[in-house]
Amino acid sequence: QVQLQESGPGLVKPSQTLSLTCTVSGGSISSGGGYYWSWIRQHPGKGLEWIGYISYSGSTYYNPSLKSRVTISVDTSKNQFSLKLNSVTAADTAVYYCARRSSGWNYFDYWGQGTLVTVSS
Amino acid sequence: DIQMTQSPSSLSASVGDSVTLTCRASQSISTYLNWYQQKPGKAPKLLISAASSLQSGVPSRFSGSGSGTDFTLTISSLQPEDFASYYCQQSYNIPYTFGQGTKLEIK
Repeated sequence: QVQLQESGPGLVKPSQTLSLTCTVSGGSISSGGGYYWSWIRQHPGKGLEWIGYISYSGSTYYNPSLKSRVTISVDTSKNQFSLKLNSVTAADTAVYYCARRSSGWNYFDYWGQGTLVTVSS
Repeated sequence: DIQMTQSPSSLSASVGDSVTLTCRASQSISTYLNWYQQKPGKAPKLLISAASSLQSGVPSRFSGSGSGTDFTLTISSLQPEDFASYYCQQSYNIPYTFGQGTKLEIK
Protein backbone atom coordinates (compact mmCIF):
# COMPACT_ATOMS: atom_id res chain seq x y z
CA GLN A 1 0.00 0.00 0.00
CA VAL A 2 1.54 3.26 -1.12
CA GLN A 3 1.50 6.03 1.45
CA LEU A 4 2.42 9.69 1.06
CA GLN A 5 3.21 12.19 3.79
CA GLU A 6 3.70 15.92 3.42
CA SER A 7 6.08 17.86 5.63
CA GLY A 8 7.21 21.45 5.89
CA PRO A 9 6.53 24.78 7.60
CA GLY A 10 2.93 25.65 8.32
CA LEU A 11 3.58 29.38 8.25
CA VAL A 12 5.36 31.33 5.55
CA LYS A 13 5.85 35.09 5.32
CA PRO A 14 4.63 37.02 2.30
CA SER A 15 7.16 37.28 -0.55
CA GLN A 16 9.08 34.26 0.78
CA THR A 17 9.29 30.73 -0.60
CA LEU A 18 6.96 27.93 0.42
CA SER A 19 8.81 24.61 0.61
CA LEU A 20 7.18 21.23 1.15
CA THR A 21 8.40 17.67 0.89
CA CYS A 22 6.42 14.51 0.25
CA THR A 23 7.83 11.23 1.51
CA VAL A 24 6.60 8.11 -0.25
CA SER A 25 6.48 4.73 1.49
CA GLY A 26 5.22 1.34 0.39
CA GLY A 27 6.55 1.87 -3.11
CA SER A 28 9.56 3.28 -4.87
CA ILE A 29 9.42 6.48 -6.92
CA SER A 30 12.28 5.16 -9.04
CA SER A 31 10.30 2.11 -10.12
CA GLY A 32 8.75 4.29 -12.81
CA GLY A 33 5.56 2.56 -13.85
CA GLY A 34 4.26 5.62 -15.62
CA TYR A 35 3.43 7.32 -12.35
CA TYR A 36 3.76 11.02 -11.86
CA TRP A 37 4.21 12.52 -8.42
CA SER A 38 1.94 15.47 -7.96
CA TRP A 39 1.12 18.50 -5.87
CA ILE A 40 -2.46 19.70 -5.50
CA ARG A 41 -3.80 22.46 -3.26
CA GLN A 42 -7.14 23.42 -1.80
CA HIS A 43 -7.89 26.93 -0.65
CA PRO A 44 -9.91 27.06 2.59
CA GLY A 45 -13.46 26.00 1.89
CA LYS A 46 -12.80 25.86 -1.85
CA GLY A 47 -12.12 23.39 -4.63
CA LEU A 48 -8.97 21.65 -5.73
CA GLU A 49 -6.19 23.08 -7.91
CA TRP A 50 -3.55 20.95 -9.61
CA ILE A 51 -0.12 22.55 -9.20
CA GLY A 52 2.11 20.19 -11.15
CA TYR A 53 3.90 16.87 -11.17
CA ILE A 54 7.21 15.17 -11.74
CA SER A 55 8.28 11.78 -13.02
CA TYR A 56 10.92 9.57 -11.44
CA SER A 57 13.37 10.80 -14.07
CA GLY A 58 12.68 14.45 -13.31
CA SER A 59 10.32 15.41 -16.13
CA THR A 60 8.00 18.11 -14.88
CA TYR A 61 4.67 19.59 -15.90
CA TYR A 62 3.24 22.66 -14.20
CA ASN A 63 -0.07 24.44 -14.16
CA PRO A 64 0.47 27.49 -16.39
CA SER A 65 -1.25 29.65 -13.78
CA LEU A 66 1.59 28.95 -11.33
CA LYS A 67 4.42 27.97 -13.63
CA SER A 68 6.48 31.12 -13.15
CA ARG A 69 6.65 30.52 -9.39
CA VAL A 70 6.75 26.73 -9.04
CA THR A 71 9.56 24.20 -8.96
CA ILE A 72 9.00 20.50 -8.30
CA SER A 73 11.99 18.24 -7.77
CA VAL A 74 12.57 14.58 -6.94
CA ASP A 75 15.12 12.80 -4.76
CA THR A 76 14.84 9.11 -5.58
CA SER A 77 17.52 8.18 -3.02
CA LYS A 78 15.23 9.44 -0.27
CA ASN A 79 12.00 8.43 -2.05
CA GLN A 80 10.84 12.02 -1.80
CA PHE A 81 9.66 14.80 -4.04
CA SER A 82 9.38 18.46 -3.20
CA LEU A 83 7.51 21.63 -4.00
CA LYS A 84 8.86 25.16 -3.97
CA LEU A 85 6.53 28.09 -4.57
CA ASN A 86 8.19 31.46 -4.49
CA SER A 87 6.94 35.00 -3.95
CA VAL A 88 3.96 33.79 -1.94
CA THR A 89 1.01 35.96 -0.97
CA ALA A 90 -2.03 35.39 1.20
CA ALA A 91 -3.71 33.89 -1.87
CA ASP A 92 -1.35 30.93 -1.56
CA THR A 93 -2.77 30.00 1.84
CA ALA A 94 -4.16 26.52 1.32
CA VAL A 95 -4.00 22.89 2.25
CA TYR A 96 -1.30 21.32 0.10
CA TYR A 97 -1.59 17.67 -0.88
CA CYS A 98 0.90 15.40 -2.55
CA ALA A 99 -0.58 12.62 -4.64
CA ARG A 100 0.33 9.94 -7.14
CA ARG A 101 -1.01 10.27 -10.66
CA SER A 102 -1.56 6.93 -12.29
CA SER A 103 -0.56 6.03 -15.81
CA GLY A 104 -3.24 5.57 -18.44
CA TRP A 105 -6.33 7.40 -17.25
CA ASN A 106 -4.33 9.94 -15.23
CA TYR A 107 -6.29 9.79 -12.01
CA PHE A 108 -4.89 10.55 -8.57
CA ASP A 109 -5.07 7.27 -6.71
CA TYR A 110 -3.00 7.87 -3.57
CA TRP A 111 -2.96 11.08 -1.56
CA GLY A 112 -1.14 12.42 1.45
CA GLN A 113 -3.18 13.68 4.37
CA GLY A 114 -2.51 17.28 3.41
CA THR A 115 -0.76 20.10 5.22
CA LEU A 116 -2.11 23.59 5.83
CA VAL A 117 0.25 26.36 4.83
CA THR A 118 -0.66 29.86 5.94
CA VAL A 119 0.96 32.89 4.38
CA SER A 120 1.06 35.67 6.92
CA SER A 121 3.49 38.10 8.45
CA ASP B 1 -8.02 25.25 -19.62
CA ILE B 2 -10.98 22.90 -19.53
CA GLN B 3 -13.63 24.18 -17.14
CA MET B 4 -15.52 21.63 -15.06
CA THR B 5 -18.93 22.62 -13.73
CA GLN B 6 -20.71 20.55 -11.11
CA SER B 7 -24.35 20.74 -10.17
CA PRO B 8 -25.89 21.15 -7.79
CA SER B 9 -23.37 22.84 -5.52
CA SER B 10 -25.16 21.37 -2.54
CA LEU B 11 -27.81 18.74 -2.07
CA SER B 12 -29.82 17.55 0.91
CA ALA B 13 -30.95 13.95 1.00
CA SER B 14 -31.95 11.26 3.44
CA VAL B 15 -30.42 7.91 4.26
CA GLY B 16 -31.74 5.41 1.75
CA ASP B 17 -32.32 7.96 -1.01
CA SER B 18 -30.76 7.74 -4.43
CA VAL B 19 -29.01 10.86 -5.73
CA THR B 20 -27.39 11.90 -8.99
CA LEU B 21 -24.60 14.46 -9.21
CA THR B 22 -23.71 16.08 -12.50
CA CYS B 23 -20.42 17.26 -13.97
CA ARG B 24 -20.05 19.09 -17.26
CA ALA B 25 -16.85 19.80 -19.15
CA SER B 26 -16.34 22.90 -21.28
CA GLN B 27 -15.09 20.70 -24.13
CA SER B 28 -15.12 17.04 -24.94
CA ILE B 29 -12.92 14.94 -22.66
CA SER B 30 -13.94 11.49 -23.92
CA THR B 31 -14.14 9.45 -20.71
CA TYR B 32 -11.16 11.06 -18.97
CA LEU B 33 -13.31 11.90 -15.97
CA ASN B 34 -12.69 10.90 -12.37
CA TRP B 35 -14.80 11.28 -9.23
CA TYR B 36 -13.50 11.84 -5.70
CA GLN B 37 -15.16 11.90 -2.31
CA GLN B 38 -13.84 14.22 0.38
CA LYS B 39 -14.81 14.31 4.03
CA PRO B 40 -13.99 17.28 6.28
CA GLY B 41 -10.32 17.46 7.18
CA LYS B 42 -9.43 14.53 4.96
CA ALA B 43 -7.79 14.09 1.58
CA PRO B 44 -9.95 13.31 -1.43
CA LYS B 45 -10.54 9.63 -2.09
CA LEU B 46 -10.77 8.27 -5.62
CA LEU B 47 -14.13 6.61 -6.24
CA ILE B 48 -14.45 6.25 -10.00
CA SER B 49 -11.98 6.61 -12.84
CA ALA B 50 -12.47 6.74 -16.59
CA ALA B 51 -16.05 7.91 -16.05
CA SER B 52 -17.43 4.57 -14.95
CA SER B 53 -14.71 2.34 -13.50
CA LEU B 54 -15.34 1.70 -9.82
CA GLN B 55 -12.18 1.63 -7.72
CA SER B 56 -11.40 -1.44 -5.68
CA GLY B 57 -13.09 -1.34 -2.31
CA VAL B 58 -15.66 1.30 -3.27
CA PRO B 59 -19.22 0.12 -2.59
CA SER B 60 -21.29 -0.85 -5.60
CA ARG B 61 -23.95 1.72 -4.72
CA PHE B 62 -21.64 4.24 -6.42
CA SER B 63 -21.77 4.35 -10.18
CA GLY B 64 -20.60 6.72 -12.87
CA SER B 65 -21.57 7.32 -16.45
CA GLY B 66 -21.13 9.69 -19.34
CA SER B 67 -18.74 10.63 -22.10
CA GLY B 68 -17.84 13.72 -24.06
CA THR B 69 -18.95 16.66 -21.94
CA ASP B 70 -21.66 15.33 -19.62
CA PHE B 71 -21.12 12.98 -16.72
CA THR B 72 -23.03 11.74 -13.70
CA LEU B 73 -22.24 10.12 -10.39
CA THR B 74 -25.13 8.19 -8.89
CA ILE B 75 -25.26 6.99 -5.32
CA SER B 76 -28.09 4.57 -4.68
CA SER B 77 -29.40 3.90 -1.20
CA LEU B 78 -27.40 6.60 0.59
CA GLN B 79 -25.58 5.51 3.73
CA PRO B 80 -24.59 7.82 6.61
CA GLU B 81 -20.93 7.64 5.56
CA ASP B 82 -21.75 8.96 2.08
CA PHE B 83 -22.49 12.48 3.29
CA ALA B 84 -19.45 14.35 2.06
CA SER B 85 -18.26 16.55 -0.79
CA TYR B 86 -17.79 15.12 -4.26
CA TYR B 87 -15.45 16.45 -6.93
CA CYS B 88 -15.06 15.58 -10.57
CA GLN B 89 -11.70 15.95 -12.31
CA GLN B 90 -10.81 15.90 -15.97
CA SER B 91 -7.63 14.06 -16.85
CA TYR B 92 -7.87 14.60 -20.59
CA ASN B 93 -5.23 17.28 -20.76
CA ILE B 94 -3.00 19.54 -18.73
CA PRO B 95 -3.71 21.48 -16.65
CA TYR B 96 -5.89 18.92 -14.91
CA THR B 97 -8.92 20.68 -13.50
CA PHE B 98 -11.53 19.90 -10.90
CA GLY B 99 -15.12 20.89 -10.52
CA GLN B 100 -16.06 23.17 -7.66
CA GLY B 101 -17.69 20.29 -5.82
CA THR B 102 -21.09 19.12 -4.66
CA LYS B 103 -21.70 19.00 -0.93
CA LEU B 104 -24.08 16.21 -0.01
CA GLU B 105 -25.81 16.89 3.29
CA ILE B 106 -28.20 14.94 5.44
CA LYS B 107 -31.78 16.16 5.29
